[in-house]
Amino acid sequence: EVLLVQSGAEMKKPGESLNISCQATGYNFAKYWIGWVRQRPGKGLEWMGVIFPGDSDTKYSPSFQGQVTISVDKSIGTAFLQWRSLKASDTATYYCAREFPPGYYHGMDVWGPGTTVAVSS
Amino acid sequence: EIVLTQSPGTLSLSPGERATLSCRASQTLPFDYLTWYQQKPGQAPRLLIYGASSRATGIPDRFSGTGSGTDFTLTISRLEPEDFAMYYCQQFDDSRITFGQGTRLEIK
Repeated sequence: EVLLVQSGAEMKKPGESLNISCQATGYNFAKYWIGWVRQRPGKGLEWMGVIFPGDSDTKYSPSFQGQVTISVDKSIGTAFLQWRSLKASDTATYYCAREFPPGYYHGMDVWGPGTTVAVSS
Repeated sequence: EIVLTQSPGTLSLSPGERATLSCRASQTLPFDYLTWYQQKPGQAPRLLIYGASSRATGIPDRFSGTGSGTDFTLTISRLEPEDFAMYYCQQFDDSRITFGQGTRLEIK
C-alpha cells in the first residue's frame, strides 16, 4: 500500500524555524515527484512546489519561492518542508502528496494526512 | 500563469440529484492536464478525475469529467450523502500547478 506519513502538529512562535517531514512507503520513492500544498484555515488549496527524489530537482511556486525550502533524503524515503523564520501567516495545514505520472507532476494521486502548523506569539 | 475559476461557489442540492460543477481556465490548457479533487472537512484531498476525464482508481462511476481547452465540468450523476464536500480543480502548465478556488457542494 502506498502511504505518506507526515510529522505531527507544531506550535511555534514568530521568527522560529521549523522542519516538517513526509515519509513515503510502498512504492519506488525515487521515481515520483513529491509535492507540498498549503491550506490556511477555512481556505482553499495552494501549491507550494515539488521535488524529485531521484536527483533532488526542485520547482517552487512563485508565491513560495524564497519563503520555504523543499528537500529530500532519498536514503530514508522522506521529503521535508523547512522555514527559517516563521510568520503568523504561515499558520495552516501542510499536505505532502505524491505527484503522477512517474517522472512528471501533473497532479497528486496519494496524499498525506497533513501537518497542522500554528504560529502565534 | 493560468488561473482557474470554479463555479458556482456553493451548490445546494438534494441526494439523488445531479450535480454539475464548472472549472474555467484563463488560457487553453495544454494536453488537458485538468484534475479534480474532493475534500471533506478535516481530511486530505482525494483524487477523483485526471486528464480531464479519467476516473482515478476506486472512484464510483457516478463521477465523470468532461471538457477541453478552457472549459471543464465535473458531473455527479446521482448524489449520495457522502458526496457533499468541497471540490477543487487543478491544472499543470509551465512547470507549475494551480488550483481553482473550490466549489462547496452542500445538502439542500
